[in-house]
Amino acid sequence: GAVVSQHPSWVICKSGTSVKIECRSLDFQATTMFWYRQFPKQSLMLMATSNEGSKATYEQGVEKDKFLINHASLTLSTLTVTSAHPEDSSFYICSARGGSAQETQYFGPGTRLLVL
Amino acid sequence: DQQVKQNSPSLSVQEGRISILNCDYTNSMFDYFLWYKKYPAEGPTFLISISSIKDKNEDGRFTVFLNKSAKHLSLHIVPSQPGDSAVYFCAASGDASGTYKYIFGTGTRLKVLA
Repeated sequence: GAVVSQHPSWVICKSGTSVKIECRSLDFQATTMFWYRQFPKQSLMLMATSNEGSKATYEQGVEKDKFLINHASLTLSTLTVTSAHPEDSSFYICSARGGSAQETQYFGPGTRLLVL
Repeated sequence: DQQVKQNSPSLSVQEGRISILNCDYTNSMFDYFLWYKKYPAEGPTFLISISSIKDKNEDGRFTVFLNKSAKHLSLHIVPSQPGDSAVYFCAASGDASGTYKYIFGTGTRLKVLA
């Protein structure tokens, strides 16, 4: 299957700082990338959908000014958690999909964020 | 409103036997369904998918069955192996907006006993 990487794999930061997470599709061009968040023992919750070269579409209840998403190229999307607070601590996972809307999403390994 | 439900949070099966994981959905617009396997602190790994035009799809030890009238799908793993122990998520997509976002179930933790 296709390979998606995320960096960093884990990050600890102080409250009030911003954290950037990168998501890369390594062997295919991802026209669409998705960002999910998972709390312990819960399902994956979609935060936003990003298409290359256009603004991200955020799910209801997700603050777009807090979770900045950039999809500048067909292989890279970034999620920046601005002014992070302890309640933002979570497991963030990206996925990427190729050209067709019905193509399978392939997931990155996730990034564990801990805000102190 | 949970559109995709996995009512069994956990399942234990003996090695070599069949594992059956179930998933129910409510949105009749869903037309593409997938199963993912996930280990702790890792991203989900794609296992198998099925389109609504089919009622069965098989890939090695994994078979997915779709019952559209009941809005139910299941994943069968035969024979089950200890390495199959993980959390399994079903996902559904396909709606009027055409974005094909995935809606995930809450997951079922499978434990295969040696």
